[in-house]
Amino acid sequence: IAGITQAPTSQILAAGRRMTLRCTQDMRHNAMYWYRQDLGLGLRLIHYSNTAGTTGKGEVPDGYSVSRANTDDFPLTLASAVPSQTSVYFCASSERGVGNSPLHFGNGTRLTVT
Amino acid sequence: QKEVEQNSGPLSVPEGAIASLNCTYSDRGSQSFFWYRQYSGKSPELIMSIYSNGDKEDGRFTAQLNKASQYVSLLIRDSQPSDSATYLCAVNRYSGGYQKVTFGTGTKLQVIP
Repeated sequence: IAGITQAPTSQILAAGRRMTLRCTQDMRHNAMYWYRQDLGLGLRLIHYSNTAGTTGKGEVPDGYSVSRANTDDFPLTLASAVPSQTSVYFCASSERGVGNSPLHFGNGTRLTVT
Repeated sequence: QKEVEQNSGPLSVPEGAIASLNCTYSDRGSQSFFWYRQYSGKSPELIMSIYSNGDKEDGRFTAQLNKASQYVSLLIRDSQPSDSATYLCAVNRYSGGYQKVTFGTGTKLQVIP
């Protein structure tokens, strides 16, 4: 079934540790996104990529980095995790980075930083 | 003022009734509008897209858009217990080099059997 695969499903991480959340899509979508979802705050964009080889910052990028080496993969890295990064992380994709394409979401990664 | 506002609910409706979910947005340059359904512990799932003023129907769902009033709504007819979920309104604008999709915090819908 075509879609977005995220890994791991959940993770408990000690503060200060480095962590990479993986995201792979097989829909050949050009644009990919990382969101975090927190109670009362909704979904907030961390980073985006309109096409392979390009990335950009969303509304809450601090403490996170991304890369887009190819169309399918868009990993999110926390260089040195802090407790405020405890959240549910969703990777999403859309057919194009411009225009009116809806977002399609992966199943999410629940991250707890202790 | 939040960019996208929704009543957090919960909105409780009896089975078979019409559920009406509302959303207002602040950016008049917004170009497209989406409704997502999110079950507890799951990811958001697209259920409706609407791009121009008026109504758009898809099965039991009708999305309504009024750009002059900056208002989007979702009607669910013949509500079923399986419709119980949080409904997210999302507003899209191409801005600053990317497709900026801003989400409301969602309305929790409870359909009572």
